[in-house]
Amino acid sequence: DTAVSQTPKYLVTQMGNDKSIKCEQNLGHDTMYWYKQDSKKFLKIMFSYNNKELIINETVPNRFSPKSPDKAHLNLHINSLELGDSAVYFCASSQEAGRGNSPLHFGNGTRLTVT
Amino acid sequence: AQTVTQSQPEMSVQEAETVTLSCTYDTSESDYYLFWYKQPPSRQMILVIRQEAYKQQNATENRFSVNFQKAAKSFSLKISDSQLGDAAMYFCAYRSSNFGNEKLTFGTGTRLTIIP
Repeated sequence: DTAVSQTPKYLVTQMGNDKSIKCEQNLGHDTMYWYKQDSKKFLKIMFSYNNKELIINETVPNRFSPKSPDKAHLNLHINSLELGDSAVYFCASSQEAGRGNSPLHFGNGTRLTVT
Repeated sequence: AQTVTQSQPEMSVQEAETVTLSCTYDTSESDYYLFWYKQPPSRQMILVIRQEAYKQQNATENRFSVNFQKAAKSFSLKISDSQLGDAAMYFCAYRSSNFGNEKLTFGTGTRLTIIP
């Protein structure tokens, strides 16, 4: 049973296209995240949702729009893809707010390549 | 804002030996949580060990242990009896206890190579 699953695993697309990455967790967690890992392996938070509400929105271009239809799902839609968007995108989830000692559980990542 | 620094981009160790990975962080908070994650070539992010800042006792998980020095804001990871499967990128991470700021802030990672 996969705890945090994201699809697709690989995504190759051309500049200017629009694409989505889906994420689902079956851990019963209230909080979900999107992280971006660049070519130097640096992991940076993009968004965080708690019970479908946006609570963290780092400096991310408006072309990135997260959507949380329910607390088990957090999707990422990217408009007008650019070369610099090429990266690995990780979805993660954790227990409810205030339980900071709860680790984040990560999906296996989506490698996005923009050509 | 909190920052996490891993000053060793790469480390290597002989199989069965012990290695220590360094991590320092900067925060003005008194209550927080620290983690080490491992990322093998499969790119999975795997939790290795966690430490609550209010606990003085250092966390241990089998061959993995930490040296947590709160005053020095240091959180190093010791891997004993290194095995080939330990080869990976290791990330130190900080998590605030404040609601609304509970993201993990990661260091830049240390690539660990195990020499057979």
